[in-house]
Amino acid sequence: GESVGLHLPTLSVQEGDNSIINCAYSNSASDYFIWYKQESGKGPQFIIDIRSNMDKRQGQRVTVLLNKTVKHLSLQIAATQPGDSAVYFCADHGLYSGAGSYQLTFGKGTKLSVIP
Amino acid sequence: KAGVTQTPRYLIKTRGQQVTLSCSPISGHRSVSWYQQTPGQGLQFLFEYFSETQRNKGNFPGRFSGRQFSNSRSEMNVSTLELGDSALYLCASSSHGLSYEQYFGPGTRLTVT
Repeated sequence: GESVGLHLPTLSVQEGDNSIINCAYSNSASDYFIWYKQESGKGPQFIIDIRSNMDKRQGQRVTVLLNKTVKHLSLQIAATQPGDSAVYFCADHGLYSGAGSYQLTFGKGTKLSVIP
Repeated sequence: KAGVTQTPRYLIKTRGQQVTLSCSPISGHRSVSWYQQTPGQGLQFLFEYFSETQRNKGNFPGRFSGRQFSNSRSEMNVSTLELGDSALYLCASSSHGLSYEQYFGPGTRLTVT
């Protein structure tokens, strides 16, 4: 039968503008959070991470914000460039009782398109 | 440093067969984890190996198994393949484990017919 694909949220931004990508997670015990970028035909590439004892971390042109109260994570990309066009995933590391071990759980992804 | 390599890159198998995928981590990395990526379910964690021991496991049936060798290279095996196992299988390596930066390989595209 026909497989149903994920309907990826899409964010289109003008080159040079700032981008904000949001993510919600479900495990209140998660202790580590990561953002990945995946370009077509490639594996995910690490962008930035943050541990649960922080609420903000900055990298080169990227900032991650963590709000544990509402279990929300965001990625801000400054001065977005055409090379930033990709699918962005968040992931959280935590102990999941069903599996009885730690896991990385990924969000569904957001497709960022940069308009030159 | 060479990145994470996966072989083969593409594979076509028939339902009911089994398959073995290979992953060579970045030199010095002791943690190797495996993931399944499909259009329907997205990226899902399969398991993690560290120093030849399975340390963490996701919610996949026992048909999915793996192992790690003393040189940290890892293999993943799927037995009794089903059509739904068609996916991109990714491995990642890390110096210390899941809560540290993961470096992903390009993946193996498995098609089950």
